[in-house]
Amino acid sequence: QKEVEQNSGPLSVPEGAIASLNCTYSDRVSQSFFWYRQYSGKSPELIMSIYSNGDKEDGRFTAQLNKASQYVSLLIRDSQPSDSATYLCAVNRHTGGGNKLTFGTGTQLKVEL
Amino acid sequence: DVKVTQSSRYLVKRTGEKVFLECVQDMDHENMFWYRQDPGLGLRLIYFSYDVKMKEKGDIPEGYSVSREKKERFSLILESASTNQTSMYLCASSSWTGGYQETQYFGPGTRLLVL
Repeated sequence: QKEVEQNSGPLSVPEGAIASLNCTYSDRVSQSFFWYRQYSGKSPELIMSIYSNGDKEDGRFTAQLNKASQYVSLLIRDSQPSDSATYLCAVNRHTGGGNKLTFGTGTQLKVEL
Repeated sequence: DVKVTQSSRYLVKRTGEKVFLECVQDMDHENMFWYRQDPGLGLRLIYFSYDVKMKEKGDIPEGYSVSREKKERFSLILESASTNQTSMYLCASSSWTGGYQETQYFGPGTRLLVL
C-alpha cells in the first residue's frame, strides 16, 4: 500500500461545477496535510493546509480531513479553466529535527468549457 | 513572499559528469529539501537539511550528495551522472516552528537531461 494514494485521473468537470479530489494516507500518526497545485512544467504551489478534523474553507477551495478514515479531500467550487492542473496531496512525517512530506502522485484535473 | 531560486531551469549533461544543482532561499528558513519528480512516481525526497552543515538522507539518496555551508544555500551533487538521473529536480524550504504546522515552499525546478 502506498503511503499517500490519489487517483491519477484525469478528472474532467465542466466549468462552474464542483471538482472533488480525494487522497488517502496510511500513517495514522500524520498530523499535517497539504494540497499543492502544479501546472504543467511548473513547480508545486501551496493551496491549502489542514491540521484538524473537519472542513477548512479558503475562497473557492475547501479542504476536508477525516483522521479516523485517514482521508483528506479538496473541493473546488465554481471550477474555472485556470484550475486545470495536477493536484498533489502531501502528508507530514515528523522526525527529530522537523517534518518531512510524503507526496501522492497527483490527480490531473481538467475543467472544460 | 517566500522566494526559492534554483541555479538553472534546464541542464544537459553527459554520463559520468559531476553535476551541481544550487538552491537559494531568502526567508531565513532552517529546513531545506531536494526532491526529484518523475512521471507516475510523484515527488520523492532525496536529501534534506535542518541546519547548516547538517544533512539527512531521504528516501532515494543513492547516487547523490548534498552540501549546506550557509543557511540560505543547499546544493545537490550528482557525483557521476547517469541516464537514470534524468528528471525534474525541485528544491524546497520551510521554517520549523516546533510543531507540525510547517509549510514547504518550492523553487521553480531544474529539468536535468543526462545523455
